[in-house]
Amino acid sequence: QVQLQESGPGLVKPSGTLSLTCAVSGDSISSDNWWTWVRQPPGKGLEWIGEIHHTGSPHYNPSLRSRVTISTDKSKNQFSVVLTSVTAADTAVYFCARGGDPAYSLAYWGQGTLVTVSS
Amino acid sequence: EIVLTQSPGTLSLSPGDRATLSCRTSQSVSTSNHLAWYQQIPGQAPRLLIYAVSSRATGIPDRFIGSGSGTDFTLTISRLEPEDFAVYYCHQYDRSPPRYIFGQGTSLEIK
Repeated sequence: QVQLQESGPGLVKPSGTLSLTCAVSGDSISSDNWWTWVRQPPGKGLEWIGEIHHTGSPHYNPSLRSRVTISTDKSKNQFSVVLTSVTAADTAVYFCARGGDPAYSLAYWGQGTLVTVSS
Repeated sequence: EIVLTQSPGTLSLSPGDRATLSCRTSQSVSTSNHLAWYQQIPGQAPRLLIYAVSSRATGIPDRFIGSGSGTDFTLTISRLEPEDFAVYYCHQYDRSPPRYIFGQGTSLEIK
C-alpha cells in the first residue's frame, strides 16, 4: 500500500521560506510516477503547485514558478517543496500526492499539513 | 488559460436521490481523457473516485459513474448514501504545457 506523509514547520514568517518534505512508503521515488504537491487555502479549493519525475525536470504552476522548487531525495525515498518569499496568501493545507498512474490522476495522497504564514 | 467550471456550486439532495455534477472545460484539451473526479470530506485529503473520464478507482462503489467527452463531463451518483455528502472536484491533466487543473468544486449537502 502506497503511503505518503508530509512534514515541516507549521508556521512561517512573511517573506520567509516554506519547506516541506513528503516521505514515501510502499513505492519508490524512482518508479515511473510523478510526485506532486497540491495546496488548499482554508475554505477554498485545490491548487496544483507542481510535480517531479525522477528522470526529468520538474513542472510548476505558472503562477508559482518564480518562487517554487520541487526536488527528490532518492536515498531517503522522499521529495520536497520549497516556496520562497511567502505571504499570507500562501497559508494553506499542503498535500503531497502521487500522480501519473492511472491516467495522470492523483491516486495516493498524504493527509496534508497546515502551513500558516504569520509574524 | 484553460479553466474548469463545475456546476452547480452547491447541490442539496436527500439520501436515495440521484446526483448529477457537471465539469466543463473552457477549451478542448490535448488529453481530454485525463479527466478525474475526487471526493473530499472536510478535514481529509481528496480521494480519487474516477479517472480517465469513466474508470472507477479501486474500491469505489458502482453508484459513482463518470461520463462525457470533449469539454463536457459529468459525475453521477446514482443513489446517494449518507457518506456521499462531501465536496467533489474535477481535475484535468494537460500535456501542453504539463499541468494539472482543478475545478472549483461542487458541495453536495444534505437537504
